[in-house]
Amino acid sequence: GAGVSQSPSNKVTEKGKDVELRCDPISGHTALYWYRQRLGQGLEFLIYFQGNSAPDKSGLPSDRFSAERTGESVSTLTIQRTQQEDSAVYLCASSMTSGVSYEQYFGPGTRLTVT
Amino acid sequence: AQSVTQPDIHITVSEGASLELRCNYSYGATPYLFWYVQSPGQGLQLLLKYFSGDTLVQGIKGFEAEFKRSQSSFNLRKPSVHWSDAAEYFCAVFNAGNNRKLIWGLGTSLAVNP
Repeated sequence: GAGVSQSPSNKVTEKGKDVELRCDPISGHTALYWYRQRLGQGLEFLIYFQGNSAPDKSGLPSDRFSAERTGESVSTLTIQRTQQEDSAVYLCASSMTSGVSYEQYFGPGTRLTVT
Repeated sequence: AQSVTQPDIHITVSEGASLELRCNYSYGATPYLFWYVQSPGQGLQLLLKYFSGDTLVQGIKGFEAEFKRSQSSFNLRKPSVHWSDAAEYFCAVFNAGNNRKLIWGLGTSLAVNP
């Protein structure tokens, strides 16, 4: 079956512009996670959704970052007024639910470059 | 605070040689531990996981890992490395509290010489 997909795969934007990153989870997966991976770094947790609600937004680095999920399906991560330090690969993962025993399946990521 | 340390940033081995990638964690309760692999141009893939029970767990692609509570370690091993194993390897611990998130190490980059 189809895996997690993300779009766009690459995004180059000018500093100060807004960007939207999209994640399509595996059908039927109720939990969805966003991570950020900076060059040479591990994964940094941003936010997770259980259904359409986000119990934990603690990883969002600033109020320029927001995310939403509709219909227990697609999620968008929006970064407003992008800064150069936002350059990273943004990874999305989904799992059947948010319990530990449920494997997180990752998408290929969106590489964001802010010039 | 929970954390994961992967002491080796980069490792190079010869094809056919054995491999051990180190992972140390800091977690107050029983840890749920994972190893993921990230191949160039591909997404992260789960290699194996430890929840409880047998401390030696088997994964995909011939990998195994051993949980040692006394050493707070979960090292990844493979008896004979293949060139296709060249990738980035990440160790992670699951925070089973309210946050329910994976806490990641910084990764170990593995290069394989022919």
